[in-house]
Order: sequence, then C-alpha cells, then structure tokens
Amino acid sequence: NAGVTQTPKFQVLKTGQSMTLQCAQDMNHEYMSWYRQDPGMGLRLIHYSVGAGITDQGEVPNGYNVSRSTTEDFPLRLLSAAPSQTSVYFCASSPQGARNEQFFGPGTRLTVL
Amino acid sequence: RKEVEQDPGPFNVPEGATVAFNCTYSNSASQSFFWYRQDCRKEPKLLMSVYSSGNEDGRFTAQLNRASQYISLLIRDSKLSDSATYLCVAMWMDSSYKLIFGSGTRLLVRP
Repeated sequence: NAGVTQTPKFQVLKTGQSMTLQCAQDMNHEYMSWYRQDPGMGLRLIHYSVGAGITDQGEVPNGYNVSRSTTEDFPLRLLSAAPSQTSVYFCASSPQGARNEQFFGPGTRLTVL
Repeated sequence: RKEVEQDPGPFNVPEGATVAFNCTYSNSASQSFFWYRQDCRKEPKLLMSVYSSGNEDGRFTAQLNRASQYISLLIRDSKLSDSATYLCVAMWMDSSYKLIFGSGTRLLVRP
C-alpha cells in the first residue's frame, strides 16, 4: 500500500492563480480531510469528506473548494491564490472519521507570491 | 485563548533523560485525546491515544486529567530518535466530530 499520496510536493504560485492539490489513498478509507499547517499554529481543518459524493467545510474553508467523486481521491482546489494561503497542506484519511487514527500524506509546500 | 495549548519548547534534554509535556484544552466536552509525532518537514503520525485511565506504550506514558483539562506525555530514557515535535490533539462533537490540534512541543535530545 502506498498509503496517502499528495502531489505536488512543492508549488509556487502568483497571486490570483488557481491550482489543484491532489490527494489519493489506497486504503479504502471513507473519511478524508485537508489541513493547513502554519508556523506557531496547529493544523487547521479546511474541508473534509465522509464518503464519495459528500463534503463539508472545516474551520478555514474560505478560498478552497473540494470534491469527492471516488473513495480514493480528494483534490483541493485553490480558486484564486492569495499570499495568506502560503502554507503546508496535508491530506489525511481515516477508516472511521475523526475518532480514529488519521493517516497523513507527506504534504504540499505552497508559496503564493 | 487557543482551544488546545502547548508549550512550544524546545525542550533540550540529554539522552537517557525523562521529559514530560503538558497540554491543556478548553472544551470540557472533549471526548478523545491523542498525541501525534511530527518530524521536521514530515507529516504527523499517531504516537498514541490517551485513555481516561492513562496508558503506557514502552517508554511513553500518557495521562488525562479531566478535572484540570490537561493531558500529559512522559518519555522515559530519551533517545536521539525521539527528537521531534509532539502534537496534542483533542476531539469533540460539534455538528460533527472535530479534531483540534495544538501547535506542538519541540523536543531535542542531545548526545
């Protein structure tokens, strides 16, 4: 099993550009989520999904969209990048939601100029 | 006030030392607690769950004090490989289950 994979590992964007961060898992987990991690702050939940076709907002959803067309994939779309979105983004999956161990991907380091 | 607070450290200890971290949480309705470990520029990984009665996993012991709303992590006989950031996590039920991460406590174990 590859676990949770994320692409790209690094990305630099200009303000106003859009892009999609990819996340995939091969563990057949129903629950998937996206977090951002900023210096001095804990991981903050952006969006999550409890299964294919179902998504919901987390703590900091503004400026991001998600979709979940399959169990395996959970892409995060930045609509119009802003410098405040410079962060490290982690995707995570879990067999039964927030109550269980979260398996994180290796992260995407995003810089918005 | 942050919902989950941790001393950022760093805690700088010699090999073989015992070190303890505390973490406080603000929501008394928190149901479950976890410690995750995060190596530099890597993803977080679950270290251990924290049970009401306290639990031990090798050199690591986790305790929960609901009255004072804090959890602790004790590491005995520290190894160089224990150097990492330790994230405290609380879970509670709002409209759905929510995980709230602390910003982490950095541990440096020196030879």
